Amino acid sequence: AQSVTQPDIHITVSEGASLELRCNYSYGATPYLFWYVQSPGQGLQLLLKYFSGDTLVQGIKGFEAEFKRSQSSFNLRKPSVHWSDAAEYFCAVGGSNTGFQKLVFGTGTRLLVSP
Amino acid sequence: DTAVSQTPKYLVTQMGNDKSIKCEQNLGHDTMYWYKQDSKKFLKIMFSYNNKELIINETVPNRFSPKSPDKAHLNLHINSLELGDSAVYFCASSQAGLDQETQYFGPGTRLLVL
Repeated sequence: AQSVTQPDIHITVSEGASLELRCNYSYGATPYLFWYVQSPGQGLQLLLKYFSGDTLVQGIKGFEAEFKRSQSSFNLRKPSVHWSDAAEYFCAVGGSNTGFQKLVFGTGTRLLVSP
Repeated sequence: DTAVSQTPKYLVTQMGNDKSIKCEQNLGHDTMYWYKQDSKKFLKIMFSYNNKELIINETVPNRFSPKSPDKAHLNLHINSLELGDSAVYFCASSQAGLDQETQYFGPGTRLLVL
């Protein structure tokens, strides 16, 4: 069965500094990988996704993520964080044994942005 | 013109009551989902329907009964509510084969059982 680990529960970054959020997954086949963001009191917004091809994927809001099969990782990065990026970030892996996909989420990383 | 919408946004109720949450998507997708997010923000799939047929049922108590009257709607009915049902419930939708099954989420329904 697939699983996702986000080892950092909280991360604090200064505004303007770079950011990397870690995500490790476990899945037997080639995974579908996603990053979602949840602002306080809001729903989940898709930041980016990886299915195949180029292992560096670009998303919205200046985010990117790199798929590294050898490390079973899909870390999220941003070169310069803005105060509005403060939110909860979820990594998810998609997989199916029924022909229909279900997402398995990590426990999330809360990003705090300091002035 | 919200893609995936849920009603109500907030729901406060007493233990033992029965309540329903509604979800509608206007994306033309054929697959819909219910996820539960607990107080620690952990998200877990509950159900999935494809073309009104149940395809995923993740060991959810039978007090929870999803119903899909058509492809655009997936409702969640909960009988005999318990304190532990307090959570945020998210609806999502996707289209098999299109956009490689990316799931789009609704804004969530925050359920508080007193």
